[in-house]
Amino acid sequence: NAGVTQTPKFQVLKTGQSMTLQCAQDMNHNSMYWYRQDPGMGLRLIYYSASEGTTDKGEVPNGYNVSRLNKREFSLRLESAAPSQTSVYFCASREDFTSYNEQFFGPGTRLTVL
Amino acid sequence: QKEVEQDPGPLSVPEGAIVSLNCTYSNSAFQYFMWYRQYSRKGPELLMYTYSSGNKEDGRFTAQVDKSSKYISLFIRDSQPSDSATYLCAMTKTGANNLFFGTGTRLTVIP
Repeated sequence: NAGVTQTPKFQVLKTGQSMTLQCAQDMNHNSMYWYRQDPGMGLRLIYYSASEGTTDKGEVPNGYNVSRLNKREFSLRLESAAPSQTSVYFCASREDFTSYNEQFFGPGTRLTVL
Repeated sequence: QKEVEQDPGPLSVPEGAIVSLNCTYSNSAFQYFMWYRQYSRKGPELLMYTYSSGNKEDGRFTAQVDKSSKYISLFIRDSQPSDSATYLCAMTKTGANNLFFGTGTRLTVIP
């Protein structure tokens, strides 16, 4: 099992460019998440999807859109990138049958917006 | 005020030391408390979890929860250089979809 995979690993964008971050999991989890991690801010939830076909905003959704393409894949789109979106982005999926909400994280995408 | 507060450190200790990492929280509904470990340039991984108050031990690691004080701790005994990482506390309540994370404490264990 590959677990949670993310592409690309690194990306540099210019202000105003768009891009899509891809995430896939092979653990048959229903719930998937997108976080950003910034120094001193910790992990902040951007969007999550409790099941295929549903998405909900998290703490910092502005400037982002998401698509839950199927049970395996959950993508994050930046329509018009801004320097404030420079961050490390993590995708995660959740173990559905534990009450403590264990989440499994991908390796991250390091995004720089110039 | 954030729901979960964690001292970001950094914390630097000699090999073999006992390490104490702590978080405080404000939401009394939290019942599940977790510690994630994140190595440099990697995603976080679950290290331990506890339910409600009490202690849980796993090898050199002990997690403590004091719900009356809204305070959780992670102790690392006989710390090793391989323990060098960022440790994030996380917590949630029954039925919640989301985890609430602390900012993480960066730990370096010096050989």
